[in-house]
Amino acid sequence: QLQLQESGPGLVKPSETLSLTCTVSGGSISSSSYYWGWIRQPPGKGLEWIGSIYYSGSTYYNPSLKSRVTISVDTSKNQFSLKLSSVTAADTAVYYCARHLRPTVTNWGQGTLVTVSS
Amino acid sequence: EIVLTQSPGTLSLSPGERATLSCRASQSVSSSYLAWYQQKPGQAPRLLIYGASSRATGIPDRFSGSGSGTDFTLTISRLEPEDFAVYYCQQYGSSLLFGPGTKVDIK
Repeated sequence: QLQLQESGPGLVKPSETLSLTCTVSGGSISSSSYYWGWIRQPPGKGLEWIGSIYYSGSTYYNPSLKSRVTISVDTSKNQFSLKLSSVTAADTAVYYCARHLRPTVTNWGQGTLVTVSS
Repeated sequence: EIVLTQSPGTLSLSPGERATLSCRASQSVSSSYLAWYQQKPGQAPRLLIYGASSRATGIPDRFSGSGSGTDFTLTISRLEPEDFAVYYCQQYGSSLLFGPGTKVDIK
């Protein structure tokens, strides 16, 4: 059964870079047709897609975050990663990694809370 | 840019009642690209419906989806205690876009 697990610091200082990694188990990140993405949810609010990557390395990002986001993949480790630069308190959220077919998110990680605070 | 609106914001119902949730898009959306998710407190969302009307694996048949164009509906025929949650619609255009959600709570 496919599992996704987020890891990374739970506290990031304002203006610094948020870095998270998602480790995939029970399946290969190199599976064709699937994308690997990041979605976040501020406390008490709705879901916002951040961006996604294909195993080949092609990426697409939410236009509202594109200037600050980098998503990369490491197929040898079955992992993909998120970097979000110049964070502010507005970036405080639960960050989910996910697997999706182009239109539909099929699998979610459990989520990790990242707080931006000095 | 497409905007998704969900109504009502909160739906208060009793177990056994029928729930009808609406998702409206500001522009026409391909039915193939409309999905619904359920999220319970402290949990990740779970895919319920994809392609507007197809149930995901393991989803009970009391959940059904319908609609086309700009208007889509998620119906829960008879609410079970575990169905009280927040429901999000989501569409795919050039990106993944989620609606603001509808909370179904116990009356």
